[in-house]
Amino acid sequence: AQSVSQHNHHVILSEAASLELGCNYSYGGTVNLFWYVQYPGQHLQLLLKYFSGDPLVKGIKGFEAEFIKSKFSFNLRKPSVQWSDTAEYFCAVSSNTGKLIFGQGTTLQVKP
Amino acid sequence: DAGVIQSPRHEVTEMGQEVTLRCKPISGHNSLFWYRQTMMRGLELLIYFNNNVPIDDSGMPEDRFSAKMPNASFSTLKIQPSEPRDSAVYFCASSPYDGGAPDTQYFGPGTRLTVL
Repeated sequence: AQSVSQHNHHVILSEAASLELGCNYSYGGTVNLFWYVQYPGQHLQLLLKYFSGDPLVKGIKGFEAEFIKSKFSFNLRKPSVQWSDTAEYFCAVSSNTGKLIFGQGTTLQVKP
Repeated sequence: DAGVIQSPRHEVTEMGQEVTLRCKPISGHNSLFWYRQTMMRGLELLIYFNNNVPIDDSGMPEDRFSAKMPNASFSTLKIQPSEPRDSAVYFCASSPYDGGAPDTQYFGPGTRLTVL
């Protein structure tokens, strides 16, 4: 069965620190990849997505992610985090049955 | 566009009562998903519809849960009877997915359900 693994469950950073959140998936076929963000008390919102083309994808709010097919990875990065980036981040991969498979999420806490 | 609309936003009920959650997807989207989010289990897909037809309900916990989509602009998730362990935030999401590779899902604001 397809699965998504997010290695970091809880990350604490100071403002201006660089961020990298890991995401690995298990499906070897063609996939679409997503990162969603959930701010405290809010719903999930799309940060960025990869369908094809340039494996380095840029999203909103300065986030980017790199698709590395050989490593089955789609890590999320941001060079300098802000306090307002405090949120939960979910990686997701498309399945071959029409649904998205979500990872367990990573809680990011940014200290001012 | 108003986005995905869910009602009610908050629901507090007593064990044994029937609960109905409602969702209006984004106009033109033909896939609709119901999720449940808890601290313990994270985000779980309960069921999803494509063109109003249930495609995958393997995530529905048990017979107490049922979902319908009578038309392209409305879906309900019903819990009868409700139990305290059903307390969670229930999200509805819609997508323009139409049988090809899954596309972006757009989430509603959620319904926070508390069963006493």
